[in-house]
This record gives sequence, structure tokens and C-alpha cells, in this order.
Amino acid sequence: KAGVTQTPRYLIKTRGQQVTLSCSPISGHRSVSWYQQTPGQGLQFLFEYFSETQRNKGNFPGRFSGRQFSNSRSEMNVSTLELGDSALYLCASSLGQGSIGELFFGEGSRLTVL
Amino acid sequence: KQEVTQIPAALSVPEGENLVLNCSFTDSAIYNLQWFRQDPGKGLTSLLLIQSSQREQTSGRLNASLDKSSGRSTLYIAASQPGDSATYLCAVRPGETSGSRLTFGEGTQLTVNP
Repeated sequence: KAGVTQTPRYLIKTRGQQVTLSCSPISGHRSVSWYQQTPGQGLQFLFEYFSETQRNKGNFPGRFSGRQFSNSRSEMNVSTLELGDSALYLCASSLGQGSIGELFFGEGSRLTVL
Repeated sequence: KQEVTQIPAALSVPEGENLVLNCSFTDSAIYNLQWFRQDPGKGLTSLLLIQSSQREQTSGRLNASLDKSSGRSTLYIAASQPGDSATYLCAVRPGETSGSRLTFGEGTQLTVNP
């Protein structure tokens, strides 16, 4: 059974650009969540999608957005990139409502903003 | 606001030693607690999930315990091996309706020396 797949694995952008990251959850999982990991702030929750609807949102500015498609694949977008957006972005999937809630993470997308 | 603390921040032990990693959380009203390991530059690998009604979970050489009333969890690693070297993270899920919004600790960086 394939795990959580994130693309691209690495990317370099410059300030002011925008970026889109993709996440394919484990087959059968309907919930996808996104986290940002930095050395200073650790792992912070961005948002969660379930059945194409945003269910939870963390404390990030509106430049961070996401969506989920009918096949449960999810994308997150960061517009007007800032140096501080450099981080490892991790996607996690879980079965969703009514499940025990175990999360499974992908390998992450490492974003460097110059 | 839930806060999760992991002690120690770093630990170095000789191969074969049994060790305990600690995780504490400020709000005992949790739904579950999950332990992960993270290798450098990689994503998170789920190790054990403990529901709030459980006291412990075991998987191979790993045993995790949960004491909700005191806000503590421990991860016990028996007969440590160099391959166990990684950062270990604990994360709590506040409630069933909180979905995949986990609060993470800062992690314990473990080095097992041959």
C-alpha cells in the first residue's frame, strides 16, 4: 500500500513568487492536513481538509491556502513568498471522521526562499 | 492553550541501553497521543498511537505509556540500536472534533553510539 506522496520534494523560489505543493494521501484516506516545520517554531498546523472542505485552520496569514479534490488529493499554495516561509512542508493523511485518528506523514516538500 | 514539552532535548547513549523519553502536556483533556520518529531531512514515521482511554501501547522494542491525569507520556526503547538514532516527537490531539490538528513537542534528538 503506497504511503503519502508529496511533490515536489525540493524547490527554490525567490521572494514575491508563489508556490504550489501537492499531496496524495494513502488510498482510502479522506482527511489531509498540512504542517510547516522550521527550526525555530517546530511543527505548526496549517489546515486540514476532509471531503473537499476545510475543517480546521491554523494561525497562518491568508497567503497560505489549500484545497482538496474529489479524489482526496490536496494542494497548498503560498503566495507572495517571504524569506520566513522557508521550511519543510509536511502533509499527513488519516481516515477521517469516526476513525481513531492516526496520522501518516509524507516525506515533505522542502521550500527555500531566496 | 495546549503546550507539549519533551525532555530531554537531546540524548546520547551507548548501544544496548534501555532508555526513556518523556513528554508532558498542559491540558489533560486529550483525545489521543501519538509518537513519531523523524530522520534528518525526512518526514515523520508513526510509531505508536495511544487513545485517551488506554494506559499503554507496545510495538516491538517500543512501549509508550499515557497518564492523562498527570499530563505525561513516556516512550520506552529497549536494547537501543544505532538505527534508533533519530528525533522522537510526541503529539497530542485535543479532541475528536479537532480532526488532525495536533500539537507537537519540540522533540528529543536521540543518538545511539555503536
